[in-house]
Amino acid sequence: NAGVTQTPKFRVLKTGQSMTLLCAQDMNHEYMYWYRQDPGMGLRLIHYSVGEGTTAKGEVPDGYNVSRLKKQNFLLGLESAAPSQTSVYFCASSSLGPRATGSDQPQHFGDGTRLSIL
Amino acid sequence: QKEVEQDPGPLSVPEGAIVSLNCTYSNSAFQYFMWYRQYSRKGPELLMYTYSSGNKEDGRFTAQVDKSSKYISLFIRDSQPSDSATYLCAMRGVIQGAQKLVFGQGTRLTINP
Repeated sequence: NAGVTQTPKFRVLKTGQSMTLLCAQDMNHEYMYWYRQDPGMGLRLIHYSVGEGTTAKGEVPDGYNVSRLKKQNFLLGLESAAPSQTSVYFCASSSLGPRATGSDQPQHFGDGTRLSIL
Repeated sequence: QKEVEQDPGPLSVPEGAIVSLNCTYSNSAFQYFMWYRQYSRKGPELLMYTYSSGNKEDGRFTAQVDKSSKYISLFIRDSQPSDSATYLCAMRGVIQGAQKLVFGQGTRLTINP
């Protein structure tokens, strides 16, 4: 019963390098999200997806791209890494989407990817 | 002004104390209120979820919502060292035609044995 799994757990990149963070969920959730968490800033939404083949921008999308080719996977790409992208990245999934009127379905989070850009 | 304000702490209390964690918000469109607990090097996990004003209790935890004052609280009774974590408030509502979920910056709590 893995829930939400993020790989890798840690990564150090040089400025200008590219990489992809992988999120996989085994709960058959329709909705998936990528957040970044920085000291004093809380969790900020980068991109999200309401279903396979769909993506949408969140609060801080610049410098990132995402893809949802399979329902269980949500990929976050950094095209040209910058020091400002040093952060802890969290993926989440839920069966309650942005347009739902409300229920007790929570967002389930992975344990994060710690990314440092030198 | 941030949409959600949460005192980052850190907050340190002795074991057995009652802990009060708080958040204020500015937009009355927020209708659903949550508290997440985040242990070090882990992802947030949902602790409490409330909709209406008033109290919701779950074991040692009580979530309180005062929509008129735009203020939410989480109370922890008989606090334990295992409660040491960062607590994030979150709230959701329809803003400018779309559902929006906003997190507070988190309060780091330490319970001392």
